[in-house]
Amino acid sequence: GAVVSQHPSWVICKSGTSVKIECRSLDFQATTMFWYRQFPKQSLMLMATSNEGSKATYEQGVEKDKFLINHASLTLSTLTVTSAHPEDSSFYICSARPNRVLTATQYFGPGTRLTVL
Amino acid sequence: EDKVVQSPLSLVVHEGDTVTLNCSYEVTNFRSLLWYKQEKKAPTFLFMLTSSGIEKKSGRLSSILDKKELSSILNITATQTGDSAIYLCAVEAIGGTYKYIFGTGTRLKVLA
Repeated sequence: GAVVSQHPSWVICKSGTSVKIECRSLDFQATTMFWYRQFPKQSLMLMATSNEGSKATYEQGVEKDKFLINHASLTLSTLTVTSAHPEDSSFYICSARPNRVLTATQYFGPGTRLTVL
Repeated sequence: EDKVVQSPLSLVVHEGDTVTLNCSYEVTNFRSLLWYKQEKKAPTFLFMLTSSGIEKKSGRLSSILDKKELSSILNITATQTGDSAIYLCAVEAIGGTYKYIFGTGTRLKVLA
């Protein structure tokens, strides 16, 4: 139990295009989901906290107009990287916090590797 | 500003050695401390610690939290090459909404 999926696993796109990444909790509901970014050999950096039915909370320095987050249901959050540029290339990981008590307080998706040419 | 610091940043040991990884934190509205192991993809959960002084064990791994010292250690005994990974420490805080602050990670390499 407590599986989080992400789609796609990896994506290559041209500069200027937009890319949508989906994060789904498969067997539990999650009012709160998180989006992280990870550069090579570095730790996870929290980008934003996504709350079902309300606006996401962005961390300092993260442009909300560039990284659009939608959390339309208790099992799905999406991150759209708008007008992507090469510097947006990174590993994006989502996690979901179960509404009910489980072993851990957040479960991670497998990540999406984005490469912008 | 909330922060989580891990040490060492990197560690190379031989199979059979015991390692201790450290995590210290300065976080407002602390709720729990979590340890994760990250290999090639997303982190996998190891332990969640909420109470000071209570050791959690899973096989060769164990961890304990010291709320007075604002720190935690992760021990791995009889290391194996499969333990090679980045070990991440995260602190869960709650202040209106939940938030996780991650440390820099410790990169462990176990040589055969």
